[in-house]
Amino acid sequence: EAGVTQFPSHSVIEKGQTVTLRCDPISGHDNLYWYRRVMGKEIKFLLHFVKESKQDESGMPNNRFLAERTGGTYSTLKVQPAELEDSGVYFCASSPWTRVFTDTQYFGPGTRLTVL
Amino acid sequence: QKEVEQNSGPLSVPEGAIASLNCTYSDRGSQSFFWYRQYSGKSPELIMSIYSNGDKEDGRFTAQLNKASQYVSLLIRDSQPSDSATYLCAVIGLYNQGGKLIFGQGTELSVKP
Repeated sequence: EAGVTQFPSHSVIEKGQTVTLRCDPISGHDNLYWYRRVMGKEIKFLLHFVKESKQDESGMPNNRFLAERTGGTYSTLKVQPAELEDSGVYFCASSPWTRVFTDTQYFGPGTRLTVL
Repeated sequence: QKEVEQNSGPLSVPEGAIASLNCTYSDRGSQSFFWYRQYSGKSPELIMSIYSNGDKEDGRFTAQLNKASQYVSLLIRDSQPSDSATYLCAVIGLYNQGGKLIFGQGTELSVKP
């Protein structure tokens, strides 16, 4: 069974540019989460999809971040325009839609975003 | 006060020793607790989950939960150099209906041969 995949693995962009990160969850997983770890800080929740619907986007830092999950499959996270403080590692995780309090969230390898 | 706190380490133990990793959390109503292991440059990987007070053992790993003290720990017996990694404590809070994980900063463990 393929795990969670993310693309690209690393992105270096200039401040003010746009970047789109992609996450492909494990097939059949309805829950999809985005997290972010900035340098020296803990991993922080960004948002949660159930299928194609946003269940919780309380962690999105501001309106420069836009997440979508077309057809309830893969998800994209767009940052436009990027700022220096957006640099970090963006993780995606997925889990089945059974019991969210106990289901394992499987993490992808992350996308390392560097904004210069 | 951070929602989930861990000593950042590094924690260094000799091969074969017991490594003890600790975590405290602020939301008294938290209901689910997880330990993830993350090797450098890799994705976090779940190694233990615990939901009720007491101990839970899985191979060389034991998770301990004390809700009254808002404390969860991970013991690694017979530590091996391959256990060297960052260990992340994560919690699901009481009013979290979606399963979002709240992470501590992680404890770096180094097991010396």
